[in-house]
Amino acid sequence: DAKTTQPPSMDCAEGRAANLPCNHSTISGNEYVYWYRQIHSQGPQYIIHGLKNNETNEMASLIITEDRKSSTLILPHATLRDTAVYYCIVRVGNQFYFGTGTSLTVIP
Amino acid sequence: DADVTQTPRNRITKTGKRIMLECSQTKGHDRMYWYRQDPGLGLRLIYYSFDVKDINKGEISDGYSVSRQAQAKFSLSLESAIPNQTALYFCATSDTGSGNTIYFGEGSWLTVV
Repeated sequence: DAKTTQPPSMDCAEGRAANLPCNHSTISGNEYVYWYRQIHSQGPQYIIHGLKNNETNEMASLIITEDRKSSTLILPHATLRDTAVYYCIVRVGNQFYFGTGTSLTVIP
Repeated sequence: DADVTQTPRNRITKTGKRIMLECSQTKGHDRMYWYRQDPGLGLRLIYYSFDVKDINKGEISDGYSVSRQAQAKFSLSLESAIPNQTALYFCATSDTGSGNTIYFGEGSWLTVV
C-alpha cells in the first residue's frame, strides 16, 4: 500500500519550470508532506515541506491541493544541477515513508 | 565539517562477519535514524531512536541491531552479514520542532561478499 506515488522519470528543459507531481491520497489531516532530492548517491537533501498551505523558499515552491491528496513541487528555473531523484515523503506515525521518487533530468 | 558523520564510508566484508556502522551528529537533535537504500530504490527505515533510552524497529529491522550510546551517537550493527545486505546505508537526524525535518549523512557503502 504505497504511501506516495510519483512518476518514475521526467525531463525538463534548462531554464524552464519543473513541475513534479505526487499523490498521497491516504495522508492524515495533521501529517506534513516533505520533498527531498538525492543527487547521485549522496545523502538526500531537504527541499521543502508543507501541511495545508502552499509554501515557497529559495529552492522551490510546494503546491498542495485543497483535499491534501496530492501536491506538486515546482522548481521555477531548472538548472543542470537540479538533475536528481526527487522524493515526496509523508510521515505516518513516527516513520517517514520514501517512495521510489522521480528521476528528473534537466536537458541543456 | 558535516553535521551528520558516518563511518566507515565504504566497507567490504565477508559473509558471516560482524560489521558496525557508526553515526555521530553535531546538530543537537534528539531523533536519529538508520535507512537502507538498494540500487534504483527509495530509502527504507531500519531502526529509529527518539532519545538515548528509546529504540524502535522500522520497516526492515531483521538482521540488524542498533545502539544509541549517547544523544549524538547511533550505531548500526550487522551481527552476521549476508550478501543481500549489500546496500547504501544512511544515518539521519531530526528534531521535534516544526515539521520534524530530517537531515542525512553522506552514506556508507557496504558490500558483503
